[in-house]
Amino acid sequence: DQQVKQNSPSLSVQEGRISILNCDYTNSMFDYFLWYKKYPAEGPTFLISISSIKDKNEDGRFTVFLNKSAKHLSLHIVPSQPGDSAVYFCAANSGGYQKVTFGTGTKLQVIP
Amino acid sequence: DVKVTQSSRYLVKRTGEKVFLECVQDMDHENMFWYRQDPGLGLRLIYFSYDVKMKEKGDIPEGYSVSREKKERFSLILESASTNQTSMYLCASNRAGTILREDTQYFGPGTRLTVL
Repeated sequence: DQQVKQNSPSLSVQEGRISILNCDYTNSMFDYFLWYKKYPAEGPTFLISISSIKDKNEDGRFTVFLNKSAKHLSLHIVPSQPGDSAVYFCAANSGGYQKVTFGTGTKLQVIP
Repeated sequence: DVKVTQSSRYLVKRTGEKVFLECVQDMDHENMFWYRQDPGLGLRLIYFSYDVKMKEKGDIPEGYSVSREKKERFSLILESASTNQTSMYLCASNRAGTILREDTQYFGPGTRLTVL
């Protein structure tokens, strides 16, 4: 049973435009959410996170929005750059426990 | 800089063979994790360890075992490899005693295992 879902396996965006990656979750106990980025032949690296007490967190070109009532979060990248082309994983955990549940991933391609 | 290394980038084994995947981290992290990554399924936790000789099952432990004899090293063992264990295996580590907010997981580059 997939508790964290990314329904778009892939996304193509023109350079300079906004990329929006979506993530849905089913476990209402999740209270902390993360995004990881993965390039081919490398391990995932942490990108940005948000606590359930917030609805938005911003870090440079990256913003994560959380809608708790809809159990939905999204990652916005503005402006998108070719170097952003990677697979993005959404992840969640509850209670500070070290175990994290990952989503299925979305492959983003930013076209120059 | 945190460094997590995995012994092999690519590995090809035969069905029934015993397979060892090694992971080493150099940041004195207490927690270590093994995941597998499959298309359409994302990253799934196989096992994790929060201390030497301590381990806990993740979401998909069947067919796998682990060993943590030293703090820096976490091994994943496939006792009798099967074709459905063909996958990308990723190791990760982080500090203990902190909630996840303060220290996210650091991943190795992965081992692509093919079982024929």
